[in-house]
Amino acid sequence: QSALTQPASVSGSPGQSITISCTGTSSDVGGYNYVSWYQKHPGRAPKLMIYDVSDRPSGVSNRFSGSKSGNTASLTISGLQAEDEADYYCNSYTSSGTPVFGGGTKLTVL
Amino acid sequence: EVQLVQSGAEVKKPGESLKISCKGSGYSFTSYWIGWVRQMPGKGLEWMGIIYPGDSDTRYSPSFQGQVTISVDKSISTAYLQWSSLQASDTAMYYCARGSGGITRIELWGQGTLVTVSS
Repeated sequence: QSALTQPASVSGSPGQSITISCTGTSSDVGGYNYVSWYQKHPGRAPKLMIYDVSDRPSGVSNRFSGSKSGNTASLTISGLQAEDEADYYCNSYTSSGTPVFGGGTKLTVL
Repeated sequence: EVQLVQSGAEVKKPGESLKISCKGSGYSFTSYWIGWVRQMPGKGLEWMGIIYPGDSDTRYSPSFQGQVTISVDKSISTAYLQWSSLQASDTAMYYCARGSGGITRIELWGQGTLVTVSS
């Protein structure tokens, strides 16, 4: 199984919205509604931001939202804030019964 | 408190063996998948494999099959990641993670174990 495809970097100004894409295949992203998104700051463990494509864990800001169309999932962050600057990883369950991450996207808040 | 606590940082030489651990507490250890995730310096997250402590069902990601061994000791609620012969390319941060909804999402992470392999 190959890593899911994410853009290497995205950027936006405070208050703006950005979207990070995550492209897989029918054996992972397209085949299951089990896409999750993680925020990772340097030196810290990843944090779950979105699960099951579009659900938000308790405590995660509603500025974070997820969606999926076909083999591509997306994470949208609205009202960008400085603390959103981090690496973001998508993750999907796969037909082999194991999960797979995307390559990661570095978000820069300008 | 529900937590995963990993063993401490390791510095090893190429060719040496290593076993790092991840102890779960505050929940039913045998009821949740545990996975191991690698992050090499400056690189992304990679799944290495997963194990279900209840029956030791173990699944490896293709890149790591045959390279590492994942195991559990249910009696002490601890999962392990082991190498028989380390290489410099194994230098990385390793995280254990507890699956929810099967292994469809990770809500609980260990603090990470830094492994440095250098001659």
